[in-house]
Amino acid sequence: SQTIHQWPATLVQPVGSPLSLECTVEGTSNPNLYWYRQAAGRGLQLLFYSVGIGQISSEVPQNLSASRPQDRQFILSSKKLLLSDSGFYLCAWSVHGSGETQYFGPGTRLLVL
Amino acid sequence: QKEVEQDPGPLSVPEGAIVSLNCTYSNSAFQYFMWYRQYSRKGPELLMYTYSSGNKEDGRFTAQVDKSSKYISLFIRDSQPSDSATYLCAMSGTGGFKTIFGAGTRLFVKA
Repeated sequence: SQTIHQWPATLVQPVGSPLSLECTVEGTSNPNLYWYRQAAGRGLQLLFYSVGIGQISSEVPQNLSASRPQDRQFILSSKKLLLSDSGFYLCAWSVHGSGETQYFGPGTRLLVL
Repeated sequence: QKEVEQDPGPLSVPEGAIVSLNCTYSNSAFQYFMWYRQYSRKGPELLMYTYSSGNKEDGRFTAQVDKSSKYISLFIRDSQPSDSATYLCAMSGTGGFKTIFGAGTRLFVKA
């Protein structure tokens, strides 16, 4: 069966510091991978998605970036965090070529102070 | 107009009640309709998945899609306190990578 991992679970960072969140998927090959942000009481905002190694599509202009160095690894980064980057970050995967059904990881709660 | 509209609630019901959660949408190209359950501080969990119109039942849960009205529903029978969570509807078109999510309805089931 497929499993998706995210770490860390919680992170408190000062404004201006760098960020690296990691997501890995087990039990499937060549998945589509996604990064979402969920603000308190609001829906899911798609940040990035990837259909293969090194292939990243950005949905929202921001100071965040994403990379996919390996087939089942997806990384969300920032060089300098802003207060507005606080939120709940979710990684998800779907079967390659099919974005209809996505499966989510446990999430990372980021607080920027 | 948002692509997907979902009442945020909160919705509070007594244990054993039938719960009805709903979403409306505007894009007639949507073909896949999903419901996710999200417990506090956890990632969303896929609950139900339906293709095109019709009903789908899984235990106490029934998903209903009416494409002519652009309206989808999730019914929970014999609701339990463990059903207390936020329920997000989601939908996407054929062959697309992007899924559009509703903002979620927060449900409380009181014992």
